[in-house]
Amino acid sequence: DAGVTQSPTHLIKTRGQQVTLRCSPKSGHDTVSWYQQALGQGPQFIFQYYEEEERQRGNFPDRFSGHQFPNYSSELNVNALLLGDSALYLCASSLGASSGNTIYFGEGSWLTVV
Amino acid sequence: RKEVEQDPGPFNVPEGATVAFNCTYSNSASQSFFWYRQDCRKEPKLLMSVYSSGNEDGRFTAQLNRASQYISLLIRDSKLSDSATYLCVVNIPPYKYIFGTGTRLKVLA
Repeated sequence: DAGVTQSPTHLIKTRGQQVTLRCSPKSGHDTVSWYQQALGQGPQFIFQYYEEEERQRGNFPDRFSGHQFPNYSSELNVNALLLGDSALYLCASSLGASSGNTIYFGEGSWLTVV
Repeated sequence: RKEVEQDPGPFNVPEGATVAFNCTYSNSASQSFFWYRQDCRKEPKLLMSVYSSGNEDGRFTAQLNRASQYISLLIRDSKLSDSATYLCVVNIPPYKYIFGTGTRLKVLA
């Protein structure tokens, strides 16, 4: 039973560049959420995708965008990178038709912006 | 006021001790509640869901008090392997999950 998988695991980008992170949900899950976790903080909700549409969003600027594909996998795109975007980006999947279901995380992508 | 608040700790306890963590939430519409465990530089992993009636899983007991809007986690007979950060998570309908900043636990030999 494949869990949530993310790629790449680590990457370094320069300020102003753009980055794309990828996620495949746990087998049988149809919903993907993205979180940003800065050092010493809890994960912060970026947005959630279900049926290829963004259905809820946290307090993140439009520089953060995403996509969900028909196979339920997802991408997170961040444009015009800032130093403050350096963080662990976590993808979580769940079975999404109803609210409040348990979410399962991938190992995350460590992004460093220099 | 933060939507979910936890004491960041660290809690340093000896092996075999009982330790309790509390978490408060501000949104009365919150529907589902969870405790996650996160090891250093790893992803959060589900420890247990929290139900109104309270629930127990081995050495771990979780309680929910909706009237006072807090959640607790009790760990009995602490093991060295329990050392981690414990994250309180609240689901705000329909689909948003809010995490606390986490409480660090270090169990000492």
